[in-house]
Amino acid sequence: GAVVSQHPSRVICKSGTSVKIECRSLDFQATTMFWYRQFPKQSLMLMATSNEGSKATYEQGVEKDKFLINHASLTLSTLTVTSAHPEDSSFYICSARPFGRENSYEQYFGPGTRLTVT
Amino acid sequence: GEDVEQSLFLSVREGDSSVINCTYTDSSSTYLYWYKQEPGAGLQLLTYIFSNMDMKQDQRLTVLLNKKDKHLSLRIADTQTGDSAIYFCAERASGGYNKLIFGAGTRLAVHP
Repeated sequence: GAVVSQHPSRVICKSGTSVKIECRSLDFQATTMFWYRQFPKQSLMLMATSNEGSKATYEQGVEKDKFLINHASLTLSTLTVTSAHPEDSSFYICSARPFGRENSYEQYFGPGTRLTVT
Repeated sequence: GEDVEQSLFLSVREGDSSVINCTYTDSSSTYLYWYKQEPGAGLQLLTYIFSNMDMKQDQRLTVLLNKKDKHLSLRIADTQTGDSAIYFCAERASGGYNKLIFGAGTRLAVHP
């Protein structure tokens, strides 16, 4: 149980286009999901916290209009990279916290999406 | 502020024990975690420890927590080549959405 999926796993897009990444909790509901990015050989940096039915909370330095987050249901959050540029190329990882167990240790990570912008 | 630090590289011989160290800053952290990441893959939760515990053992893994010094360690007994990966320490921040703050990761290389 407690599986988080991401789609797509890899995407290559041209500079200036937008890309949508989906994060789904497959066997549990999640009111809170988190979006991280990871540059090669670096750590995970939290970009934003996504809450079902409300606006996402962005970390300092992350452009809200650049990285649009929508948490439309208890099992789906999406990250849209708008007008992508080569510097947006990165590994994007989402995680989800099970509804009703927010005070537990549980937070499950997706397998990641590798975005390459050419 | 919140910060997690760990050494960047560790090399051990197969069969030896590996010890990866981590320090954190948030004394109110409720949980501390160790994750493993293999090349090109996502994160795998190895183990976690609640902040009121000093030690947790799970098969080959032993986690030690020193709350006073805000120091966390992960010991891997009988290290195998399959243990070669990057190991991330993370703390669960207090307040807000209790986000996870990650260290830079320790690259463990296991050689024969």
